[in-house]
Amino acid sequence: EDQVTQSPEALRLQEGESSSLNCSYTVSGLRGLFWYRQDPGKGPEFLFTLYSAGEEKEKERLKATLTKKESFLHITAPKPEDSATYLCAVQGRYNTGGFKTIFGAGTRLFVKA
Amino acid sequence: NAGVTQTPKFQVLKTGQSMTLQCAQDMNHNSMYWYRQDPGMGLRLIYYSASEGTTDKGEVPNGYNVSRLNKREFSLRLESAAPSQTSVYFCAARGAQWTEAFFGQGTRLTVV
Repeated sequence: EDQVTQSPEALRLQEGESSSLNCSYTVSGLRGLFWYRQDPGKGPEFLFTLYSAGEEKEKERLKATLTKKESFLHITAPKPEDSATYLCAVQGRYNTGGFKTIFGAGTRLFVKA
Repeated sequence: NAGVTQTPKFQVLKTGQSMTLQCAQDMNHNSMYWYRQDPGMGLRLIYYSASEGTTDKGEVPNGYNVSRLNKREFSLRLESAAPSQTSVYFCAARGAQWTEAFFGQGTRLTVV
């Protein structure tokens, strides 16, 4: 069964305390893994897409990596404005040719000044 | 450039009432989606439209209907609202299938 599991559910950090968020997935025919940021009361906002194992992408204090079974979102020296919920989504392809995107439940990140 | 716009932002319905959630995108994307988001769960797909004139069921379609009015607009209708439909609803648009989705700001719906 296709599924996406994010851990931890919530993470509390002090400003400057680096850490990582995990996204474990099972999907047939991975076509892409997406990371989104969601602020309270807002819609998800795109951060990164990773397409193949070994790929890495960076944006400011965030770095996303991908293996065949999981992805990590590394946060280096976080600031309070990085506080948000981070969503992981994987897209797989059916044998019939259709695409399916599955979202994880998210990790709520709190960064204290 | 507004991206994806949803209306209304908030709505309270009584059980059995009907309503339509509106969504419009100005990015000229072919695919549009309706998701619901509940606490502790990932976004779940209700319906999607791969292109103008086509719609398909997602993971949780029961109790909902959709209309792809034109390339820009994709509406979600609740014919007879139930408390289980209390949720936050998001509309999204996507270009190519393997690219990122762009989301609206959401509609917070409460059914009492």
